[in-house]
Parts: sequence; structure tokens; C-alpha cells
Amino acid sequence: EPEVTQTPSHQVTQMGQEVILRCVPISNHLYFYWYRQILGQKVEFLVSFYNNEISEKSEIFDDQFSVERPDGSNFTLKIRSTKLEDSAMYFCASSGGTPMNTGELFFGEGSRLTVL
Amino acid sequence: DQQVKQNSPSLSVQEGRISILNCDYTNSMFDYFLWYKKYPAEGPTFLISISSIKDKNEDGRFTVFLNKSAKHLSLHIVPSQPGDSAVYFCAASGWTSGSRLTFGEGTQLTVNP
Repeated sequence: EPEVTQTPSHQVTQMGQEVILRCVPISNHLYFYWYRQILGQKVEFLVSFYNNEISEKSEIFDDQFSVERPDGSNFTLKIRSTKLEDSAMYFCASSGGTPMNTGELFFGEGSRLTVL
Repeated sequence: DQQVKQNSPSLSVQEGRISILNCDYTNSMFDYFLWYKKYPAEGPTFLISISSIKDKNEDGRFTVFLNKSAKHLSLHIVPSQPGDSAVYFCAASGWTSGSRLTFGEGTQLTVNP
């Protein structure tokens, strides 16, 4: 069964450092997403990406965040200068259409980011 | 953000009995609802969905009911199995929310053998 893969599974970084989280979405999917879950809190939407551009982003996704699909297979989330409050589990997801059209987002296993 | 709320953080049921997980929403623009299941150290896995034009959708042991007037949906699992033990998230989307899903807090279901 096709799956979304994420690397690294866990990253520890110092505050102020840049972090890149990587994702390989399911190959024939067109929509890509990043969500995050801070420990004990809800899963929160960060950004959606379609046709090589951001289609929607949340209030959390400020200038410190960026996404890229550099080579047609990888989908990356960059945090330019990490803060303590960026510590969370980051989930990548992909789908063949929007939630309204297909209803199903396929999530990766997550990348746990710990900012010290 | 309280647009989607799951008021029960945990639920415990006996194997073979029915599990009922509840979810409430406040945003009347939501018109598509989904349930995801999450095991530890894994990402959420899609379970079942329902459009606002329906009030029930069934898939095997899983049935989702939608009460639009009450802005309430529920997930029924019958019969419950120990392998169903996981965190269940309710999520919603709508035309105004575009491609994003808004999640509830999750309910930890434990099915006891």
C-alpha cells in the first residue's frame, strides 16, 4: 500500500537554528499538507500546497516557515529560526484532491521536533 | 480554536460492545466531516467520512451519524475489538475553509478483552 514517508523521525535542535523536515508524498497525489501537533494539543493545519504553490496557510505559518517541492517527489517544510514553541510533531499529508472531493488525507508517521 | 470539539478525552468499552464517540462543531460553514484513527508513533489514518447532505454513512463496523441541526456527529463501532484501541479524531472542512481540516482534541478509545 502506498504511504507517505517522513524524515527525520526525530530532530533535536537549538533555538535559532534552521530545520528542514522532509516528506515523500504518495506519487500520484496532487495536494500536499503540513500539520503539527504540540504535545497535549490538537492537530493543527499549517499549510497546503498545490500546483507548485501554497494554496492555503494558517496563522501559524508565518515568515519563519516555508515549503518547497524541489524535485517533484520531495515536499519539505523549513523553519528558518526555530523557537521553543515550535517543538511539536509535524505531520506531512497528501491527497488526490481536496478534503471535500476525496475526503481522505494520507498522513505520514510524523517528525518530532524538539527545540532546546 | 474551539470550532470542533470532542468533549470526552477517553472512553473504555468491553470487546464486542458498541463504542460511541462524539463530536460537536460550531462553524455552520462546515459541510464535510471525517474521522481519523491514530495509533502511538503513527500518523492519523482515515476511517470514514460524511457529507452534510447525508445523515448517516456506514462502512463495515463503522457508522458515522450527522445531526446538522445540533451540529453534532458521532462514530459508532460495532462490535468493538481490542485492535480498535486508539485515539480517534473528528475533523471538519467546508467551502470556506478550503483545503484545511479542523481537528477535534481526540478521544482515546480503549477496548478491553
